[in-house]
Amino acid sequence: NAGVTQTPKFQVLKTGQSMTLQCAQDMNHNSMYWYRQDPGMGLRLIYYSASEGTTDKGEVPNGYNVSRLNKREFSLRLESAAPSQTSVYFCASSETPGVEYGYTFGSGTRLTVV
Amino acid sequence: GDSVTQMEGPVTLSEEAFLTINCTYTATGYPSLFWYVQYPGEGLQLLLKATKADDKGSNKGFEATYRKETTSFHLEKGSVQVSDSAVYFCALSSPTGGFKTIFGAGTRLFVKA
Repeated sequence: NAGVTQTPKFQVLKTGQSMTLQCAQDMNHNSMYWYRQDPGMGLRLIYYSASEGTTDKGEVPNGYNVSRLNKREFSLRLESAAPSQTSVYFCASSETPGVEYGYTFGSGTRLTVV
Repeated sequence: GDSVTQMEGPVTLSEEAFLTINCTYTATGYPSLFWYVQYPGEGLQLLLKATKADDKGSNKGFEATYRKETTSFHLEKGSVQVSDSAVYFCALSSPTGGFKTIFGAGTRLFVKA
């Protein structure tokens, strides 16, 4: 099925460990996004990529890095995990950054940092 | 900056009851407005959208009207089902916000049989 695929679905890390969350879309979308979801806070934008070759910081970028590997793939890296990064992470994509388009979301990665 | 405020939950209704989830927004310019739904263990799915004032978005029996005069986009459904139990997010996207989508905190809906 066409859509956004995220891996892994679940992960437990120890404080200080690093990991990369993978995201791939097969809809030929230009724009991709990483959000984190915490109870009572909705979704907060971490980083986004308006088009292949560009990345920009969102609302909560500290402690994260991203790579837009190609048009399909957009990865999120935690270099030194902290308990405050325990969250559910969602990748999303859209055809363009235009305001009239909604997003297609992946099913999420539930990350626990102990 | 741009923001979205939606009613706190949880909202608990009996099957076939009328649903309203309130959403108001603050934005410069003319944003597009969205409702997303998240079922347990899944990502968000676009439910409906409206891109200009007085537009009505609708899908699966849900409706919302873009009211610029009251800066609102309330979600309604005439008769809810148990399968509608989920978390609903109001969101906006505007050119002045760099086209990034801003989400409300979400409202959890429980529908009892």
